[in-house]
Amino acid sequence: DSGVTQTPKHLITATGQRVTLRCSPRSGDLSVYWYQQSLDQGLQFLIQYYNGEERAKGNILERFSAQQFPDLHSELNLSSLELGDSALYFCASSGLTGVITGELFFGEGSRLTVL
Amino acid sequence: AQSVTQLGSHVSVSEGALVLLRCNYSSSVPPYLFWYVQYPNQGLQLLLKYTSAATLVKGINGFEAEFKKSETSFHLTKPSAHMSDAAEYFCAVSGMNSGGYQKVTFGIGTKLQVIP
Repeated sequence: DSGVTQTPKHLITATGQRVTLRCSPRSGDLSVYWYQQSLDQGLQFLIQYYNGEERAKGNILERFSAQQFPDLHSELNLSSLELGDSALYFCASSGLTGVITGELFFGEGSRLTVL
Repeated sequence: AQSVTQLGSHVSVSEGALVLLRCNYSSSVPPYLFWYVQYPNQGLQLLLKYTSAATLVKGINGFEAEFKKSETSFHLTKPSAHMSDAAEYFCAVSGMNSGGYQKVTFGIGTKLQVIP
C-alpha cells in the first residue's frame, strides 16, 4: 500500500460526458502528479501540483483540468469525453525527498471506460 | 531534454533464468534513475533508485541495476527469474527542468513474461 488513494477505481461513462477523478496523497506529501496510461501511448504525464499551485504541465488536453485543494487532495476533471480518453489515470505523490530526486508513490489508478 | 529508451517492449525468460531489462537514458544534467514495477491491475511500485551514491543499486525482490555513465545505461537484472516476477517494468529518469523543478520521464515499459 503506497498510501495514495484514488477514487473511483472503475468508471464507465458515455461520450460527451464529464467525470471527476479524486486523489488523496500520502500523509504529508505536498506534491501531486497525474498520469494517463493507455495501450498506445504508454505512461503520459499530465500535470503536477505542489501545495495547491500548478507546477508543471505535460500532455494535458484543454478538455481536462485539475486542481489541488487546501487539504492537499487533488481532482482531475475530464470533460466532453471521447472514446480515446479511455485509459488508466494514475495519481502519484512525492514528499521532500521526491522534490529533490523525483521519487514518486503511485495510487492504484482509476480505470475510465468511455462508450 | 531528457528521455528514456527501454529496449524490448516484451521480454520472455524461463523460470530460474537471468532477467535483463535494458534502459538507456538521455539527460543534460546528472540524473536520478528509477525502476518501477506494475503488477496487473495495480499501480506502479518503486523497485529501486539511483541517486548518485553507489553505482550498483539493490532493490526489492532480488533485483539490482547498475548505473553506467559512459554507456548512459541503467539496466535491470535479477539472477534467477521467479513466476511472481511477471509484470511490466518501467525505467524513469528525473532531472531538474528549466523551471527549477524535478521532471520525471518514463520509458514505454517492458512486459516480462516468465515461462515455467
